[in-house]
Amino acid sequence: QKEVEQNSGPLSVPEGAIASLNCTYSDRGSQSFFWYRQYSGKSPELIMSIYSNGDKEDGRFTAQLNKASQYVSLLIRDSQPSDSATYLCAAPWGGTASKLTFGTGTRLQVTL
Amino acid sequence: EAGVAQSPRYKIIEKRQSVAFWCNPISGHATLYWYQQILGQGPKLLIQFQNNGVVDDSQLPKDRFSAERLKGVDSTLKIQPAKLEDSAVYLCASRTSGTVSYEQYFGPGTRLTVT
Repeated sequence: QKEVEQNSGPLSVPEGAIASLNCTYSDRGSQSFFWYRQYSGKSPELIMSIYSNGDKEDGRFTAQLNKASQYVSLLIRDSQPSDSATYLCAAPWGGTASKLTFGTGTRLQVTL
Repeated sequence: EAGVAQSPRYKIIEKRQSVAFWCNPISGHATLYWYQQILGQGPKLLIQFQNNGVVDDSQLPKDRFSAERLKGVDSTLKIQPAKLEDSAVYLCASRTSGTVSYEQYFGPGTRLTVT
C-alpha cells in the first residue's frame, strides 16, 4: 500500500490570498492523484483529479503533479471563507488502481 | 444523478452491542467500498466489493466486522460486538468500472459512537 503524507495544519490564509496545499507520496509508480475537500462533520467531496505530470486548472483550483519529486499540490486562488475545510490527498493503488490511500488531511482556515 | 445513500446518519450504542449500516451506491456503479474514518485521520479502507463479490477485505477486523453486498447493489456493514475504539465515521463510496476513471464518490457517512 502506498504512503501519502500531508501536513495536518492548520494552514491559515487571509481572504483573497492563494492557499497552497501539499502532498508527498512514496510510490514512484503512482500515475494519478485526487484531492477531496471535507467540511467539518461532512463526508469527503472530490474536487480535483490529476492524471498526468504538470498542472490542471478548474476554476479557482489548480492541481500540480511533479512525478520526479513525488509531490502533488493544490492551489486555491482568491481563497474564500467557504474554502475553510480539511483537504485530503489520495492516491490509487492495487489491481486496476481500484483502491485509494488517503493522507491525514490538511486543515485550511481562510480568515476575514 | 442521485449520490451514494447511507443510513442511519448517527448511531450511539454501548460496547458489546451490535450495529449495522446500510449503503446504496450510485446507480450503475459496480464497485463499492466501506471506509472507517477516525477523527483527525484520513479514511481507511475496510472492504471493497466488485458487484456482489469481495475484492479486498484484508483490513477488515473479521472477528467483529462483517459486510455483504447482495445482488450487487446495496451493502450492509455490521459490527458485533462493538468496542470503544470502533467509534468513528463509516463511509461508503462507489466507483464506476470499465473506464479509466478511478474516482470514488462518498456517501454522507454514519457517525458511530460506542459508549
